[in-house]
Amino acid sequence: ELKVEQNPLFLSMQEGKNYTIYCNYSTTSDRLYWYRQDPGKSLESLFVLLSNGAVKQEGRLMASLDTKARLSTLHITAAVHDLSATYFCAVDIYQGGKLIFGQGTELSVKP
Amino acid sequence: KAGVTQTPRYLIKTRGQQVTLSCSPISGHRSVSWYQQTPGQGLQFLFEYFSETQRNKGNFPGRFSGRQFSNSRSEMNVSTLELGDSALYLCASSPLPTGSEELFFGEGSRLTVL
Repeated sequence: ELKVEQNPLFLSMQEGKNYTIYCNYSTTSDRLYWYRQDPGKSLESLFVLLSNGAVKQEGRLMASLDTKARLSTLHITAAVHDLSATYFCAVDIYQGGKLIFGQGTELSVKP
Repeated sequence: KAGVTQTPRYLIKTRGQQVTLSCSPISGHRSVSWYQQTPGQGLQFLFEYFSETQRNKGNFPGRFSGRQFSNSRSEMNVSTLELGDSALYLCASSPLPTGSEELFFGEGSRLTVL
């Protein structure tokens, strides 16, 4: 059974610092998604990574995918308070519609 | 372009009742999938529909069912509600179920079972 594990699960950062969230998964897949969720809200799509070596960047966030290592990373650069949220990675191995989510990483950025 | 619309947004039911949740996908999207989110179990896949056919189903009891209509709108039904069914139910749509498409999530229906 596919397992998706994120670490850390909780992350408290200071503004201006850098950090990385890791997403490991147990079965071969070349489709990985990152989502953001604010409290009480739905999931906002951040990145879709579709091949080995894929790297995407948006603002202070950069995501990468290493399918051989079954690892994706979400790197945060110079964190700001507005990035405080829960971040989920999700893997799709069934070609559409069925995502297996990680536990989520709750990020808190403090001044 | 309107996003994924879920109704109702909030509802309260009692044990033993049943509930129907509705999801209208983004115009032109033909794939609809449903997820349950709880603090204990996280985000779990319920089922996915494409062109009125269920393509994938998660590990949920038969009390959870769904369907998709010809206009791609989808409904899910939970019968004989249990306390553990209290959750945020999220619907997502995508143009095609190819796996290379981004999923767009609705705001969710928050169900409380008393």
